[in-house]
Amino acid sequence: DTGVSQNPRHKITKRGQNVTFRCDPISEHNRLYWYRQTLGQGPEFLTYFQNEAQLEKSRLLSDRFSAERPKGSFSTLEIQRTEQGDSAMYLCASSFRPGQDYEQYFGPGTRLTVT
Amino acid sequence: GNSVTQMEGPVTLSEEAFLTINCTYTATGYPSLFWYVQYPGEGLQLLLKATKADDKGSNKGFEATYRKETTSFHLEKGSVQVSDSAVYFCALSDQSGAGSYQLTFGKGTKLSVIP
Repeated sequence: DTGVSQNPRHKITKRGQNVTFRCDPISEHNRLYWYRQTLGQGPEFLTYFQNEAQLEKSRLLSDRFSAERPKGSFSTLEIQRTEQGDSAMYLCASSFRPGQDYEQYFGPGTRLTVT
Repeated sequence: GNSVTQMEGPVTLSEEAFLTINCTYTATGYPSLFWYVQYPGEGLQLLLKATKADDKGSNKGFEATYRKETTSFHLEKGSVQVSDSAVYFCALSDQSGAGSYQLTFGKGTKLSVIP
């Protein structure tokens, strides 16, 4: 079990540029979540995949944001035309449901700074 | 909607002091409750959980009891150590309409333990 990994760990970009983050979940975990955490706040839910299907999106996920999970393995989160308000830590988590346990395991996050 | 309110920080304690971090929640269903911990420079780690009323979660000397009547899940530890210095997040997981079991987090409480 190698845990959830995220790349890159840090990204600095200029306003208006596009950025893409990658998340590799724990193998065999069929559920994958993206959260956003701003300074001094708890993580907030962005979107959720079960296998390759994106089943829920938060109202926080504007149309500049898109997420994919091809083949139900790794996931990417793309932000187009970045704005300074997008500066945050982007967290990925995965889970697997044996019985009723939906425990989520988090990656280290990607810190985005938009200048 | 769901929400979690936890004690504002920062909290500074001397080593071996007793710790309580208050957490209350609002949920539409019957949520599972969690405490996550974020050590400096690291990702979120699950500390303990409780999935139904009156359950007690415990780990590493920390405990929390799911109190449905007071909608609370307060975190306690009898004797804190310097290594417990971290940010603690209370969270709940409830079945949304799409069944995502997304986590709703509190804002976090920063704990500093001094020798």
